[in-house]
Amino acid sequence: DTGVSQDPRHKITKRGQNVTFRCDPISEHNRLYWYRQTLGQGPEFLTYFQNEAQLEKSRLLSDRFSAERPKGSFSTLEIQRTEQGDSAMYLCASSPGVSFGELFFGEGSRLTVL
Amino acid sequence: QKEVEQDPGPLSVPEGAIVSLNCTYSNSAFQYFMWYRQYSRKGPELLMYTYSSGNKEDGRFTAQVDKSSKYISLFIRDSQPSDSATYLCAMSANTGNQFYFGTGTSLTVIP
Repeated sequence: DTGVSQDPRHKITKRGQNVTFRCDPISEHNRLYWYRQTLGQGPEFLTYFQNEAQLEKSRLLSDRFSAERPKGSFSTLEIQRTEQGDSAMYLCASSPGVSFGELFFGEGSRLTVL
Repeated sequence: QKEVEQDPGPLSVPEGAIVSLNCTYSNSAFQYFMWYRQYSRKGPELLMYTYSSGNKEDGRFTAQVDKSSKYISLFIRDSQPSDSATYLCAMSANTGNQFYFGTGTSLTVIP
C-alpha cells in the first residue's frame, strides 16, 4: 500500500494523559499536513511541513500540541494533558509539492478522551 | 464569515439522478479547488482537482469553477448507491500552504 498511513487508527485515553499519533506520507511527498475533524464538520488545518521544516501552525494548535517531522519523512503529532475537547479525528495528508493542490489523506486517527 | 460555505444537506436522490453539489467562498485569492468524498469514519478521498476557472470532467464527475461568482460545483451523473457519502469542497490560494474545507454535504442515493 503506497498511500498515507496513520497509526493508531483509534485511541481511547483518559483526560490528562498524553497521546501521540504517527503519520507516514506517500513516498517522496515533501509536504505533510495535519488536520483535525469533528463530527459534522470539515477538516480544520493544524500545521504543515515542507520536508522537515514546520512552516505554518494554526492558532488551533495550542501549546499542548506539538508536531515533528524528523528527517522529512514520517511525522508525529503529540497532544499533552488531553482534554475532552480534543476528541476528534486527526487526519494526516501529504502532497508532492510540485503543484499546490492534490492533498492525499490517510484514514485518520480517531481520539476519544474520557 | 467562514472562508468556505457549503450546504450540509442532507441530500437524498434516486439512483440514476444527476446530483449537484456546491460551495461558495469569500477569498478571491483562492485558485486551487478540490472535491473530496468521505465515507463514514474514513479519511477524505480526492475526487477532482481544478486550477482557476473552468470545467473538468472525469467519468461521471464534472467540476466547475466560477471565480467571478466565487462559486464551485460538482456534478455527479447517473448517481449510484455507492456514491452515498459526504462530499467536501476544499480550496487554497497561491501559497498552497493551507487548504480551507467546507463542512461537507451528506448525500444518499436511493436504489
